[in-house]
Amino acid sequence: EAGVAQSPRYKIIEKRQSVAFWCNPISGHATLYWYQQILGQGPKLLIQFQNNGVVDDSQLPKDRFSAERLKGVDSTLKIQPAKLEDSAVYLCASSLATGRKETQYFGPGTRLLVL
Amino acid sequence: AQKVTQAQTEISVVEKEDVTLDCVYETRDTTYYLFWYKQPPSGELVFLIRRNSFDEQNEISGRYSWNFQKSTSSFNFTITASQVVDSAVYFCALKSQGGSEKLVFGKGMKLTVNP
Repeated sequence: EAGVAQSPRYKIIEKRQSVAFWCNPISGHATLYWYQQILGQGPKLLIQFQNNGVVDDSQLPKDRFSAERLKGVDSTLKIQPAKLEDSAVYLCASSLATGRKETQYFGPGTRLLVL
Repeated sequence: AQKVTQAQTEISVVEKEDVTLDCVYETRDTTYYLFWYKQPPSGELVFLIRRNSFDEQNEISGRYSWNFQKSTSSFNFTITASQVVDSAVYFCALKSQGGSEKLVFGKGMKLTVNP
């Protein structure tokens, strides 16, 4: 079974530029998550989708970050404009459904460097 | 509030030594789940184990074992006879209803196993 796919793996941009990340979850997984992992810290949830609806985006900086999952499968996360402090690894994860017992499976991440 | 504390930030051992990674959690929920993930240098978070709050039976899986104790709010992870391939950052995580079922991570513990 294929895991969570993400692209690109690495991205270097200058501040104030835009960037977009793509995620394809495990087949059949209804729930998709985007996390931000700053160096030396644990991942922090940015947004959670159940199918194509947003479940939780309370920690998403909505003035510059946006995400969508239009057909309930793939998802994109966009940053516009990027700031230096956005340098981090952006991890996508998926699970069969929402709920405490559901295990999240993670992709390889996109490493973003903002100069 | 939900919180996970991994007091150790970095451990270095020699191959074949046993090593225990500590995890202490806080939650007011009576039903919750605890997870351990491994993040090798490649960056992908690899799921290791999930335990629910009603199951305090400790588990052994090959060289890995877990010790869950509700009385001390701890969920420790032991690697027996460590190997160089065990070198990674290990994260403990908590999911409970009071936290909107978000997966809350500790800061991680970097394990280096030297030959």
